[in-house]
Amino acid sequence: EAQVTQNPRYLITVTGKKLTVTCSQNMNHEYMSWYRQDPGLGLRQIYYSMNVEVTDKGDVPEGYKVSRKEKRNFPLILESPSPNQTSLYFCASRTGFGPDTQYFGPGTRLTVL
Amino acid sequence: LAKTTQPISMDSYEGQEVNITCSHNNIATNDYITWYQQFPSQGPRFIIQGYKTKVTNEVASLFIPADRKSSTLSLPRVSLSDTAVYYCLVGEGNNDMRFGAGTRLTVKP
Repeated sequence: EAQVTQNPRYLITVTGKKLTVTCSQNMNHEYMSWYRQDPGLGLRQIYYSMNVEVTDKGDVPEGYKVSRKEKRNFPLILESPSPNQTSLYFCASRTGFGPDTQYFGPGTRLTVL
Repeated sequence: LAKTTQPISMDSYEGQEVNITCSHNNIATNDYITWYQQFPSQGPRFIIQGYKTKVTNEVASLFIPADRKSSTLSLPRVSLSDTAVYYCLVGEGNNDMRFGAGTRLTVKP
């Protein structure tokens, strides 16, 4: 089954404790991205990757890091989480060409205390 | 980047046809129009995509007038399970598409 998986689905942590949210897709897609979703603000893109070892900032990259060492994986790293990063996070992937048809993961709800 | 404007919310009743219109006055020649559906606490799901005229699939229809400055997502005979947020995106890919606030559709019994 074609899918995007994220782990963990729920996470409660404390300020400053480094964390990683994993994302994996099994569709051999070149393009992957991370979004955060906050009430009233819709989905905002954090980082995206056009292919292995190619990453770039989205609209709200501050406080986040990503890496793309393999085509299928695109982890989101919060080196020093802060309460304003409490949000619902989605990973997405699509083929690298043509109009947007993204496949989204199930989401990770992060709470930073 | 082409911006889109959608109604913030809409109400409907089961069995009715729902039409959600999206304005995109600055759409470029190469831009496509894509609609996504999102249920609470789930990731958005692709519904339909088009370039011009009319596109229909098993879920919805997309109507695009000749000037392409707007588009209308049509959901036939909605049910309670169609209650969701619907997003209209415009672009040609290459990371130029952005999600706005979407339209929150509430279907009532």
